[in-house]
Amino acid sequence: DTAVSQTPKYLVTQMGNDKSIKCEQNLGHDTMYWYKQDSKKFLKIMFSYNNKELIINETVPNRFSPKSPDKAHLNLHINSLELGDSAVYFCASSQEWGAPGELFFGEGSRLTVL
Amino acid sequence: AQTVTQSQPEMSVQEAETVTLSCTYDTSESDYYLFWYKQPPSRQMILVIRQEAYKQQNATENRFSVNFQKAAKSFSLKISDSQLGDAAMYFCAYRSANTGNQFYFGTGTSLTVIP
Repeated sequence: DTAVSQTPKYLVTQMGNDKSIKCEQNLGHDTMYWYKQDSKKFLKIMFSYNNKELIINETVPNRFSPKSPDKAHLNLHINSLELGDSAVYFCASSQEWGAPGELFFGEGSRLTVL
Repeated sequence: AQTVTQSQPEMSVQEAETVTLSCTYDTSESDYYLFWYKQPPSRQMILVIRQEAYKQQNATENRFSVNFQKAAKSFSLKISDSQLGDAAMYFCAYRSANTGNQFYFGTGTSLTVIP
């Protein structure tokens, strides 16, 4: 039973298209995140939601729009895809407070924009 | 914002030998958590080990142990008896115990295990 699951695992699409990545966690965590990992493997926080409320919104183009219908789900929609959007996108979740406090990651979604 | 520095972009180790990966961080807080994550070629991010800053004892998980030096703000990972399956990117991460939701990651160290 996967703790944090995201779909699809792979997306290949053309520039200008719109795509969505879905994420669900069954850990009962309060907080969910989207991270972007570029070709150099740098992990960059994009968004964080706590109980459906946006709490972290880093400098990300407004073509990226997260949506959290409930605290177990955090989806990422990307409009007008550009070549530079090619990356691996990770969904993650954590308890808001207290130990152990680690991030639980999904398997990542590799987005390739042609 | 806190910063996490991994000064070794790449490391290599002979199979069965020991290797230490470095991590330093910058913070003014006294209560926080530190983590090491492993990312093999499968790209799954796997928690290797965690350390609570209030605990003086270094965390250990089988062949993985840390050397946590709070005053020096250093959190190195030691891998003993290295195995081929240890080959991966390793990321050090920091999380405040007070502000809660923000994790700060280092830039990663790519570990190669030589048979």
